[in-house]
Amino acid sequence: EPEVTQTPSHQVTQMGQEVILRCVPISNHLYFYWYRQILGQKVEFLVSFYNNEISEKSEIFDDQFSVERPDGSNFTLKIRSTKLEDSAMYFCASRSLDGRTGELFFGEGSRLTVL
Amino acid sequence: GNSVTQMEGPVTLSEEAFLTINCTYTATGYPSLFWYVQYPGEGLQLLLKATKADDKGSNKGFEATYRKETTSFHLEKGSVQVSDSAVYFCALGGGGADGLTFGKGTHLIIQP
Repeated sequence: EPEVTQTPSHQVTQMGQEVILRCVPISNHLYFYWYRQILGQKVEFLVSFYNNEISEKSEIFDDQFSVERPDGSNFTLKIRSTKLEDSAMYFCASRSLDGRTGELFFGEGSRLTVL
Repeated sequence: GNSVTQMEGPVTLSEEAFLTINCTYTATGYPSLFWYVQYPGEGLQLLLKATKADDKGSNKGFEATYRKETTSFHLEKGSVQVSDSAVYFCALGGGGADGLTFGKGTHLIIQP
Protein backbone atom coordinates (compact mmCIF):
# COMPACT_ATOMS: atom_id res chain seq x y z
CA GLU A 1 0.00 0.00 0.00
CA PRO A 2 1.47 3.39 -0.94
CA GLU A 3 2.50 5.56 1.98
CA VAL A 4 4.02 8.90 2.86
CA THR A 5 7.57 8.55 4.17
CA GLN A 6 9.45 11.07 6.27
CA THR A 7 13.08 11.44 7.27
CA PRO A 8 14.62 11.78 9.73
CA SER A 9 12.38 10.17 12.32
CA HIS A 10 14.11 12.18 15.05
CA GLN A 11 16.51 15.10 14.87
CA VAL A 12 18.21 16.92 17.71
CA THR A 13 19.67 20.33 16.94
CA GLN A 14 21.06 23.38 18.65
CA MET A 15 19.07 26.60 18.76
CA GLY A 16 19.87 28.79 15.76
CA GLN A 17 20.78 25.90 13.47
CA GLU A 18 19.05 25.20 10.17
CA VAL A 19 16.99 22.04 9.85
CA ILE A 20 15.56 20.35 6.77
CA LEU A 21 12.82 17.77 7.16
CA ARG A 22 12.16 15.56 4.19
CA CYS A 23 9.05 13.88 2.91
CA VAL A 24 8.23 11.62 0.00
CA PRO A 25 4.49 11.93 -0.67
CA ILE A 26 2.44 9.25 -2.37
CA SER A 27 3.49 9.26 -6.00
CA ASN A 28 0.27 10.29 -7.76
CA HIS A 29 -0.76 12.87 -5.17
CA LEU A 30 -0.77 16.54 -6.07
CA TYR A 31 -1.42 18.39 -2.81
CA PHE A 32 1.19 18.42 -0.06
CA TYR A 33 1.03 19.64 3.51
CA TRP A 34 3.06 20.15 6.64
CA TYR A 35 1.51 20.02 10.09
CA ARG A 36 3.11 20.23 13.48
CA GLN A 37 2.16 18.84 16.87
CA ILE A 38 3.81 20.21 19.97
CA LEU A 39 3.96 17.48 22.59
CA GLY A 40 0.52 16.77 24.02
CA GLN A 41 -1.17 19.49 22.00
CA LYS A 42 -3.32 19.71 18.90
CA VAL A 43 -2.21 19.09 15.35
CA GLU A 44 -1.65 22.49 13.72
CA PHE A 45 -1.66 23.30 10.03
CA LEU A 46 1.51 24.95 8.73
CA VAL A 47 1.34 25.07 4.96
CA SER A 48 -0.18 23.54 1.85
CA PHE A 49 1.54 23.27 -1.52
CA TYR A 50 0.10 22.68 -4.97
CA ASN A 51 1.40 23.13 -8.48
CA ASN A 52 4.85 24.08 -7.21
CA GLU A 53 3.71 26.91 -5.01
CA ILE A 54 2.30 27.56 -1.57
CA SER A 55 -1.51 27.48 -1.56
CA GLU A 56 -2.13 28.42 2.03
CA LYS A 57 -0.06 29.02 5.13
CA SER A 58 -0.87 29.60 8.74
CA GLU A 59 0.45 32.38 10.95
CA ILE A 60 2.85 29.84 12.43
CA PHE A 61 4.57 29.58 9.04
CA ASP A 62 6.66 32.75 9.29
CA ASP A 63 9.78 33.80 7.43
CA GLN A 64 11.84 31.19 9.27
CA PHE A 65 9.99 28.44 7.42
CA SER A 66 10.15 27.49 3.77
CA VAL A 67 9.00 24.56 1.66
CA GLU A 68 10.33 23.19 -1.56
CA ARG A 69 9.71 20.41 -4.00
CA PRO A 70 13.20 20.08 -5.42
CA ASP A 71 12.44 17.15 -7.68
CA GLY A 72 9.53 14.96 -8.67
CA SER A 73 9.38 13.04 -5.43
CA ASN A 74 10.62 14.99 -2.41
CA PHE A 75 8.85 17.71 -0.43
CA THR A 76 10.95 19.48 2.18
CA LEU A 77 10.36 21.78 5.12
CA LYS A 78 13.25 24.04 6.09
CA ILE A 79 13.54 25.94 9.34
CA ARG A 80 16.31 28.51 8.92
CA SER A 81 17.19 29.32 12.50
CA THR A 82 15.53 27.00 14.97
CA LYS A 83 14.09 28.20 18.25
CA LEU A 84 13.30 26.20 21.36
CA GLU A 85 9.59 26.50 20.62
CA ASP A 86 10.08 24.76 17.27
CA SER A 87 10.47 21.50 19.16
CA ALA A 88 7.57 19.39 17.95
CA MET A 89 6.53 16.47 15.81
CA TYR A 90 6.26 17.54 12.18
CA PHE A 91 3.90 15.60 9.94
CA CYS A 92 3.91 15.61 6.19
CA ALA A 93 0.70 14.72 4.37
CA SER A 94 -0.47 14.39 0.80
CA ARG A 95 -3.76 14.23 -1.03
CA SER A 96 -4.75 13.11 -4.50
CA LEU A 97 -6.67 15.21 -7.00
CA ASP A 98 -9.84 13.70 -5.58
CA GLY A 99 -12.34 16.49 -5.37
CA ARG A 100 -14.05 17.06 -2.07
CA THR A 101 -13.52 13.77 -0.26
CA GLY A 102 -10.53 15.44 1.23
CA GLU A 103 -8.70 12.58 2.89
CA LEU A 104 -5.09 13.33 3.78
CA PHE A 105 -2.48 10.60 4.08
CA PHE A 106 0.06 11.29 6.79
CA GLY A 107 3.62 10.18 7.29
CA GLU A 108 4.92 8.82 10.59
CA GLY A 109 6.31 12.20 11.54
CA SER A 110 9.72 13.72 12.24
CA ARG A 111 10.40 14.61 15.85
CA LEU A 112 12.47 17.77 16.15
CA THR A 113 14.16 18.57 19.45
CA VAL A 114 15.80 21.99 19.74
CA LEU A 115 18.26 22.39 22.61
CA GLY B 1 -13.48 30.11 9.86
CA ASN B 2 -13.57 26.39 10.44
CA SER B 3 -13.20 24.91 13.90
CA VAL B 4 -13.58 21.55 15.62
CA THR B 5 -14.39 20.97 19.27
CA GLN B 6 -13.82 17.61 20.92
CA MET B 7 -14.48 16.42 24.41
CA GLU B 8 -11.50 16.79 26.70
CA GLY B 9 -9.61 13.74 27.81
CA PRO B 10 -8.29 11.56 29.04
CA VAL B 11 -11.20 9.19 28.78
CA THR B 12 -10.63 6.02 30.79
CA LEU B 13 -12.84 2.98 30.24
CA SER B 14 -12.80 -0.69 31.06
CA GLU B 15 -12.48 -3.27 28.32
CA GLU B 16 -15.81 -4.05 26.59
CA ALA B 17 -17.36 -0.74 27.66
CA PHE B 18 -19.31 1.46 25.23
CA LEU B 19 -17.40 4.45 23.88
CA THR B 20 -18.60 7.85 22.76
CA ILE B 21 -16.22 10.70 21.94
CA ASN B 22 -18.11 13.88 21.11
CA CYS B 23 -17.12 16.12 18.23
CA THR B 24 -18.88 19.26 16.99
CA TYR B 25 -17.80 21.61 14.27
CA THR B 26 -18.35 24.98 12.68
CA ALA B 27 -17.67 25.37 9.00
CA THR B 28 -18.63 27.22 5.89
CA GLY B 29 -19.96 25.14 3.06
CA TYR B 30 -20.20 21.36 3.24
CA PRO B 31 -16.97 19.89 4.53
CA SER B 32 -15.97 16.27 4.78
CA LEU B 33 -15.53 14.97 8.32
CA PHE B 34 -12.87 12.61 9.59
CA TRP B 35 -11.66 10.72 12.62
CA TYR B 36 -7.92 10.12 12.76
CA VAL B 37 -6.21 7.93 15.35
CA GLN B 38 -2.69 8.23 16.73
CA TYR B 39 -1.33 5.16 18.49
CA PRO B 40 1.55 5.68 20.92
CA GLY B 41 4.72 6.65 19.09
CA GLU B 42 3.08 6.59 15.67
CA GLY B 43 1.71 9.01 13.10
CA LEU B 44 -1.86 9.87 12.22
CA GLN B 45 -3.98 7.22 10.58
CA LEU B 46 -7.38 7.74 9.06
CA LEU B 47 -9.95 5.80 11.07
CA LEU B 48 -13.12 6.73 9.19
CA LYS B 49 -14.71 9.51 7.21
CA ALA B 50 -18.03 10.86 5.95
CA THR B 51 -18.38 13.20 3.02
CA LYS B 52 -21.98 14.41 3.26
CA ALA B 53 -24.86 14.81 5.67
CA ASP B 54 -26.32 11.58 7.11
CA ASP B 55 -23.38 9.52 5.86
CA LYS B 56 -22.06 7.02 8.38
CA GLY B 57 -18.36 6.22 8.40
CA SER B 58 -17.28 2.94 9.95
CA ASN B 59 -14.08 0.98 10.47
CA LYS B 60 -12.71 -1.51 13.03
CA GLY B 61 -16.00 -1.42 14.97
CA PHE B 62 -15.98 2.38 15.22
CA GLU B 63 -18.81 4.45 13.74
CA ALA B 64 -19.63 8.12 13.30
CA THR B 65 -22.58 9.78 11.57
CA TYR B 66 -22.38 13.17 9.87
CA ARG B 67 -25.19 15.18 11.49
CA LYS B 68 -25.68 18.49 9.75
CA GLU B 69 -28.57 19.57 11.97
CA THR B 70 -26.47 19.30 15.12
CA THR B 71 -23.10 19.93 13.39
CA SER B 72 -21.74 16.83 15.05
CA PHE B 73 -19.68 13.76 14.18
CA HIS B 74 -19.53 11.74 17.40
CA LEU B 75 -17.33 8.65 17.45
CA GLU B 76 -18.82 5.47 18.93
CA LYS B 77 -17.78 1.89 19.52
CA GLY B 78 -19.89 -0.75 21.17
CA SER B 79 -17.15 -2.70 22.94
CA VAL B 80 -13.67 -1.25 23.31
CA GLN B 81 -10.44 -3.21 23.60
CA VAL B 82 -7.12 -2.42 25.27
CA SER B 83 -5.64 -2.07 21.78
CA ASP B 84 -7.97 0.89 21.13
CA SER B 85 -5.95 2.99 23.57
CA ALA B 86 -4.77 5.96 21.51
CA VAL B 87 -5.42 9.62 20.82
CA TYR B 88 -8.41 10.30 18.58
CA PHE B 89 -8.67 13.44 16.48
CA CYS B 90 -11.81 14.75 14.84
CA ALA B 91 -11.13 16.82 11.72
CA LEU B 92 -12.91 18.57 8.90
CA GLY B 93 -11.80 19.53 5.44
CA GLY B 94 -13.07 21.05 2.25
CA GLY B 95 -11.04 19.21 -0.33
CA GLY B 96 -8.70 20.62 -2.95
CA ALA B 97 -5.74 22.54 -1.57
CA ASP B 98 -7.50 23.07 1.76
CA GLY B 99 -5.87 21.34 4.64
CA LEU B 100 -7.72 19.73 7.50
CA THR B 101 -8.75 21.50 10.67
CA PHE B 102 -8.19 19.27 13.69
CA GLY B 103 -9.72 19.16 17.11
CA LYS B 104 -7.41 19.03 20.13
CA GLY B 105 -7.56 15.27 20.34
CA THR B 106 -9.01 12.95 22.98
CA HIS B 107 -6.72 10.54 24.77
CA LEU B 108 -8.50 7.22 25.27
CA ILE B 109 -7.21 4.75 27.85
CA ILE B 110 -8.73 1.27 27.99
CA GLN B 111 -7.99 -0.76 31.10
CA PRO B 112 -8.16 -4.58 31.11
